[in-house]
Amino acid sequence: EPEVTQTPSHQVTQMGQEVILRCVPISNHLYFYWYRQILGQKVEFLVSFYNNEISEKSEIFDDQFSVERPDGSNFTLKIRSTKLEDSAMYFCASTETGRDQPQHFGDGTRLSIL
Amino acid sequence: GIQVEQSPPDLILQEGANSTLRCNFSDSVNNLQWFHQNPWGQLINLFYIPSGTKQNGRLSATTVATERYSLLYISSSQTTDSGVYFCAGAFYNQGGKLIFGQGTELSVKP
Repeated sequence: EPEVTQTPSHQVTQMGQEVILRCVPISNHLYFYWYRQILGQKVEFLVSFYNNEISEKSEIFDDQFSVERPDGSNFTLKIRSTKLEDSAMYFCASTETGRDQPQHFGDGTRLSIL
Repeated sequence: GIQVEQSPPDLILQEGANSTLRCNFSDSVNNLQWFHQNPWGQLINLFYIPSGTKQNGRLSATTVATERYSLLYISSSQTTDSGVYFCAGAFYNQGGKLIFGQGTELSVKP
């Protein structure tokens, strides 16, 4: 069964550094999402992406965050200047045709900011 | 805003027992999913169930969309069922994003 793959599985970064989290969605999927889960809390929506542009973003997704689909397969989340509170698990998800389809999640990237 | 509420927040079971987890939501859904988060943090998709009933082995789920709730049944629980169970919904007029509940933390004792 096709999978969403995320790399790296764990990233440790000094505060203030830039970090890029990478995702390869399922190949025929058109809608892409990033979610965040702070340790011990629920999963929160960050941003959705369709047709090479952001379709929706949450209040969490401020100017420090950006997303990109640099080629036909990768979908990246960049945090420009990391803060301690950015420490969390970040999940990428994709769906084939949008809101009436199940979202398929990657295994997540655990980001630790020191 | 839209609310997704899960109950109970915590549940401790003896191996072999059955359980029911509940998810209430405050608006009409066009997508409802149940996930199991394992000890490594992975979100394992259990069911895509915007309405009706589905079964997969010892697990089954029912969503009554008109009454805005979903139930996850676990029968003959095993220690490997331990972890956090999340429900998440995508709602009309809310784009396609999933809104997650706070989760039910299940612990199955041998």
